[in-house]
Amino acid sequence: EAGVAQSPRYKIIEKRQSVAFWCNPISGHATLYWYQQILGQGPKLLIQFQNNGVVDDSQLPKDRFSAERLKGVDSTLKIQPAKLEDSAVYLCASSTGLTGELFFGEGSRLTVL
Amino acid sequence: DQQVKQNSPSLSVQEGRISILNCDYTNSMFDYFLWYKKYPAEGPTFLISISSIKDKNEDGRFTVFLNKSAKHLSLHIVPSQPGDSAVYFCAASGNTDKLIFGTGTRLQVFP
Repeated sequence: EAGVAQSPRYKIIEKRQSVAFWCNPISGHATLYWYQQILGQGPKLLIQFQNNGVVDDSQLPKDRFSAERLKGVDSTLKIQPAKLEDSAVYLCASSTGLTGELFFGEGSRLTVL
Repeated sequence: DQQVKQNSPSLSVQEGRISILNCDYTNSMFDYFLWYKKYPAEGPTFLISISSIKDKNEDGRFTVFLNKSAKHLSLHIVPSQPGDSAVYFCAASGNTDKLIFGTGTRLQVFP
């Protein structure tokens, strides 16, 4: 069974530039999550999708972050414009919604200079 | 407001001995708890979980204990192996499948 796929693995940009991350969840997983993990901290939920609808985006900085999950499968997370404090690993995860277990991708490491 | 806390940022244990990783939570609505393990440059992987209706769950070398009255859970690894060296995250969820993570404990198992 293929795992959660994310790209790019690494991205370096300057502040005020934009960046986009892509995630393809495990086939059949209805729920998709984007987490932000800043160095030394635990993952923090940014947004949760159930199929192509948003369940929770209360922690998403909506003035600069946006995410979509068209067709209820893969998803993109965009940051525009980026700030220095956005430097983090962006983790995508998916789940069936039945067991409570999330399956994570390898993450996309963003460095903002 | 840190709802899930792991107060020990690091732990060093000799191979073959027991590793005990601790986690505290503040939200009494949490009813499902998980431990994730993370190697460098990889995403977290699920290790073991426990529902609030239980106080213990065991899977091979890994056992999770839950003390609801103290809002505390712990992960025991016996015997510890060098391959267990990783960052361990405690996570909790309530009536949704949204997971709240702790800050992690870095475990190092030395020979």
